[in-house]
Amino acid sequence: DAKTTQPPSMDCAEGRAANLPCNHSTISGNEYVYWYRQIHSQGPQYIIHGLKNNETNEMASLIITEDRKSSTLILPHATLRDTAVYYCIVRDNNAGNMLTFGGGTRLMVKP
Amino acid sequence: NAGVTQTPKFQVLKTGQSMTLQCAQDMNHEYMSWYRQDPGMGLRLIHYSVGAGITDQGEVPNGYNVSRSTTEDFPLRLLSAAPSQTSVYFCASRRSGAGGANVLTFGAGSRLTVL
Repeated sequence: DAKTTQPPSMDCAEGRAANLPCNHSTISGNEYVYWYRQIHSQGPQYIIHGLKNNETNEMASLIITEDRKSSTLILPHATLRDTAVYYCIVRDNNAGNMLTFGGGTRLMVKP
Repeated sequence: NAGVTQTPKFQVLKTGQSMTLQCAQDMNHEYMSWYRQDPGMGLRLIHYSVGAGITDQGEVPNGYNVSRSTTEDFPLRLLSAAPSQTSVYFCASRRSGAGGANVLTFGAGSRLTVL
């Protein structure tokens, strides 16, 4: 599996965009980039995933570089409720594959 | 839909006791899994199942047993609890196949303390 590298922590002002980076330089061609978040001791929550194209949903946008070696999760207008640990995970979609979670980035949204 | 339901939410055990953490999902998901999360750490995969009657080990399976007799339920058994098993346990499920991708639905967690 491709390993990911994320900064351990980041701050963001409320109402501003939060841009969370993730490096995955050893990603292979069939591996997707997934983002989850975990709000204070709750179960992790799926946010978004993508293969090579940029993706957007009601929660966030995912920007993947052309060489696929890094990506950025964008929360366009961060709120205090977006304070959480954000996990970037790289995995293919083969049957039986289960996600493994690393340390993630602790995002603190400040008023 | 209730999603993924875990019971109990909290449990205190003494060393050597056994217990079962329950997990049930009502989304007809084929895949189910158990993770543990120690304080300040990420999640680690304990066991998983790709369908009724099929289970496999994850990263940290020692000290735990699972079975999958129905699609809906995936209990996690602690055979002889140890203080090192003090953790928060999360159950998760997803659909099978590429269409289900790795979009997991997690339960709220079960916080276990072993004295």
